[in-house]
Formats: sequence, C-alpha cells, structure tokens
Amino acid sequence: GNSVTQMEGPVTLSEEAFLTINCTYTATGYPSLFWYVQYPGEGLQLLLKATKADDKGSNKGFEATYRKETTSFHLEKGSVQVSDSAVYFCALRNPTQGGSEKLVFGKGTKLTVNP
Amino acid sequence: DVKVTQSSRYLVKRTGEKVFLECVQDMDHENMFWYRQDPGLGLRLIYFSYDVKMKEKGDIPEGYSVSREKKERFSLILESASTNQTSMYLCATFGGSSYEQYFGPGTRLTVT
Repeated sequence: GNSVTQMEGPVTLSEEAFLTINCTYTATGYPSLFWYVQYPGEGLQLLLKATKADDKGSNKGFEATYRKETTSFHLEKGSVQVSDSAVYFCALRNPTQGGSEKLVFGKGTKLTVNP
Repeated sequence: DVKVTQSSRYLVKRTGEKVFLECVQDMDHENMFWYRQDPGLGLRLIYFSYDVKMKEKGDIPEGYSVSREKKERFSLILESASTNQTSMYLCATFGGSSYEQYFGPGTRLTVT
C-alpha cells in the first residue's frame, strides 16, 4: 500500500539556519507528492507539490525535489525565519489506484525557529 | 479563494452524547473529507464523500458516520461520543484545476 515516512521532530533551529525535513514514500506507479504546512491554530495549507519524477516544487523559499530513484521528497529552506515555525506534513496522492483524490500523510514534523 | 468553514473551533461534550461536526465549502467541489489529527499519528482519514449522498469509509471509520445531503455540506457524526474521540477534526475538499486539498481551520473536540 501507500505510505509516507517523515523525520520525527521536534526540530528547533535558530533564525537564518538551513532546514531539511526528510520524507520518503512507498507507492506503486507514479504518485504526486505534497508538502502541507499547519501554522498554530490553523488548518493545513498546501506549501508545494510535484507531480512527476525530477519535478521541483517551490514556494516561500521552500523547495523539494521528487526523486523517484530514492523515493524521496525532502523539504529544504536555505534560511528559516521565526514565522516558519509550524508543523510540516509530507503527503502523497496515487492516481493509479482507486480513490485517487485521497491523500496519505506522514505524521508531521514540528519546527520551531528561535530568534 | 476557496473557503472551507467548520461549525465550531472548540467543542466540549460528555461521554455518550451525540455530536455533529459541520463542514461547509463554497467552491462546488465534489470531494470532501474528514480527518482526525492526533500528536504522533498525523492525519488519519475517517470518511470521504465524492458526491452528494455518496460516501466511503476511510482508515478509521469506527464510531463515526457521515451525512452529505447537499454538495456544499459534509457532516461528521459521533453517535455516542467516547473519551478516545477527543481530538482535532479537520475537514477538507478537493477539486478544481490545482488538484490540492483545501482544509478548514479544524474543530478541537474534547469528550469528558
């Protein structure tokens, strides 16, 4: 079946530090991959996505590259800000299977950025 | 902008009560979802609906039911609330050309 594994948190960084949150997946076929972010007290919102191998999603200084050979979609940001403090979820959607609109989520990684 | 609203941000109910959580979307999306979010477990799919009056069980449907009488409204029902249903409940919709799920702000339910 489909599954997503992301690094466990919490992650604590100082402002302007480099961020990596690892995400690997298991799926047959050609899933689409997503990073969602949840700010305190809010629902989830899409941060970035990639729909095929070697695609790079990017938004708000965050990037992730869809690597089929390593089944990975690691999230990176060169210089984090206090406002990036949130919980980050990696997710996949597998259109080759029935119920293709469903997302499978990782467990989330809480990031805290200190000034 | 897509708007997904949930009827309550915080809710406190007693064990055994029947609980209704309402979700309304304004974007004419066919697909709607209910998740629960728990620390260390991430988001788990309870039920989803791909059309009016159509529903499918997700990964953890036990103790829950759903209702979708109108396209814009998807209700989650706890027939007899129990303390292990204390959680954050998130509603989402899917549709449009971007193929992303849009989430509501969540309802934090406490069952005492």
